[in-house]
Amino acid sequence: KNEVEQSPQNLTAQEGEFITINCSYSVGISALHWLQQHPGGGIVSLFMLSSGKKKHGRLIATINIQEKHSSLHITASHPRDSAVYICAVSKRTDKLIFGTGTRLQVFP
Amino acid sequence: GAGVSQSPRYKVAKRGQDVALRCDPISGHVSLFWYQQALGQGPEFLTYFQNEAQLDKSGLPSDRFFAERPEGSVSTLKIQRTQQEDSAVYLCASSLDPFSKNIQYFGAGTRLSVL
Repeated sequence: KNEVEQSPQNLTAQEGEFITINCSYSVGISALHWLQQHPGGGIVSLFMLSSGKKKHGRLIATINIQEKHSSLHITASHPRDSAVYICAVSKRTDKLIFGTGTRLQVFP
Repeated sequence: GAGVSQSPRYKVAKRGQDVALRCDPISGHVSLFWYQQALGQGPEFLTYFQNEAQLDKSGLPSDRFFAERPEGSVSTLKIQRTQQEDSAVYLCASSLDPFSKNIQYFGAGTRLSVL
């Protein structure tokens, strides 16, 4: 079993829809990261959080430490949000343990 | 430069050939990570440097893989006698300070294809 599990693997949405991507992990962590990867492109860090909730523009990330679960929400989705969203955790050292990603496609 | 730079962006190698992949981290960043991303998978950790010291190489898949960061800035990942299963995107990331939680900044990656 992977230490970091994401769902769904693939997600399609119409422009304007509210989107949720889930992440569960099975190990003790120091922080959880949400990252975005565009096709052929590098990885961009969206959030790093160890408790509670963070918001940046239309993106919201939450984490429940007791349940070892995090969610990434996108409000008013747009075609430019189409990308792979990856959940990753870091433990005592900063090295990241990644989930397999969620491929999101938003259609106009 | 402003970001993490990797070169080459693409590398095609014949099986058995040696390759060297370069990473220029953000200036002043102490921590440097190498990750391997197979097609359709999430990245997997290879190795970690704090300045010039290689503190963790637990993710290197075999002794054909070797990484160095001799002056604590630029790093090179070398793969000897490449095999087809080495085909992947190799990602480099750097972060400012190992002693507090920091986000990692990623390069665009080097896509290695072994024929």
